Amino acid sequence: DAGITQSPRHKVTETGTPVTLRCHQTENHRYMYWYRQDPGHGLRLIHYSYGVKDTDKGEVSDGYSVSRSKTEDFLLTLESATSSQTSVYFCAISEYRGITEAFFGQGTRLTVV
Amino acid sequence: AQKITQTQPGMFVQEKEAVTLDCTYDTSDQSYGLFWYKQPSSGEMIFLIYQGSYDEQNATEGRYSLNFQKARKSANLVISASQLGDSAMYFCAMRGPTTSGTYKYIFGTGTRLKVLA
Repeated sequence: DAGITQSPRHKVTETGTPVTLRCHQTENHRYMYWYRQDPGHGLRLIHYSYGVKDTDKGEVSDGYSVSRSKTEDFLLTLESATSSQTSVYFCAISEYRGITEAFFGQGTRLTVV
Repeated sequence: AQKITQTQPGMFVQEKEAVTLDCTYDTSDQSYGLFWYKQPSSGEMIFLIYQGSYDEQNATEGRYSLNFQKARKSANLVISASQLGDSAMYFCAMRGPTTSGTYKYIFGTGTRLKVLA
């Protein structure tokens, strides 16, 4: 199994509070991704990183920011959580070269009340 | 723009029968990869199989095969001899280049498969 862990696994937070989710990998993969999973929408890309300090937006980036100061860590921050951000969040990693699969973390279930 | 379409929200199959899950994609790129993932009720994402756009033969992994029809832009997953443990959500995904030269994966909305005893 790829060494990728997400923390926390579950979180309940109040509307308007900041929240940070962490993704940690031990595989030294260049690419890291944050997705959210919602019924009927599949997995939608929020942000991704293609190297330390190199990030780009995905299709649903509004209300989210990311940071990657080390190869192994990719942080997703909800600056001011809203109920529409209640979701399951997945982190994924992949190699740079070739057609390779993405490996996923266990997911984080976030509830904004 | 890249897009993955899965038109079957849910499917049923009898145990030991074969089942095909549909996936169509849209891209203008020549080099890309197509992937299938399984998500059981426990929630983890399990990689099943992939096909590169330049691969001429359909990919197979055990009971899974990917029916790749490039001209039709389809990448259907075929599960042979279905088992009760195959009941899960299945996602089709594509990895392709962005305009900035990086790579990302996009996913379809998924198909929930239920295997009946």
